[in-house]
Amino acid sequence: DADVTQTPRNRITKTGKRIMLECSQTKGHDRMYWYRQDPGLGLQLIYYSFDVKDINKGEISDGYSVSRQAQAKFSLSLESAIPNQTALYFCATSERGGTDTQYFGPGTRLTVL
Amino acid sequence: QQQVKQSPQSLIVQKGGISIINCAYENTAFDYFPWYQQFPGKGPALLIAIRPDVSEKKEGRFTISFNKSAKQFSLHIMDSQPGDSATYFCAARRRTGGSNYKLTFGKGTLLTVNP
Repeated sequence: DADVTQTPRNRITKTGKRIMLECSQTKGHDRMYWYRQDPGLGLQLIYYSFDVKDINKGEISDGYSVSRQAQAKFSLSLESAIPNQTALYFCATSERGGTDTQYFGPGTRLTVL
Repeated sequence: QQQVKQSPQSLIVQKGGISIINCAYENTAFDYFPWYQQFPGKGPALLIAIRPDVSEKKEGRFTISFNKSAKQFSLHIMDSQPGDSATYFCAARRRTGGSNYKLTFGKGTLLTVNP
């Protein structure tokens, strides 16, 4: 969805490096999410934010941190990357109320060597 | 603990056939059940969804069947086409407080429709 953008789209890094993945949205949604996708494991929630001052840990937050710089921006950081963090990372947004449909970005493929 | 169990993990169907993907849940607090479709290289996108007060919802060739007593729901794709080849995720939503909700996803089903 072009309204949710992620940078970079691909990243190769080395063990121990600090990495930041960025997400921006123009949908005006107040809720943002970070997911990790691994083959056979589906989508696992890392962190979510219901508004700028409300950030919550998801199922697999260990080794990750987030920053909600503004309503439209939500960044995911790996303080010291390790090989088992190699995965596809998705940012998503949703709007308060209604069905809470989530709109996903195109993903960032991260490889940690 | 996986709260939404999805099967099969992969599925191969011939063009024109019916594709069926099943999901089961245990938490009765879930109140909304969407299905997401993901094409290679893309993020998932909402395909169709159902509320637990109805037993079936149909949109074109896609139908959700919902069995509240069995806590199961399934996606049926009629007249499957090669363009339907994608990964499908079922999900379930529950309230976490106030007007806030959280989705729990199944592990996904890779559907391949052969020409």
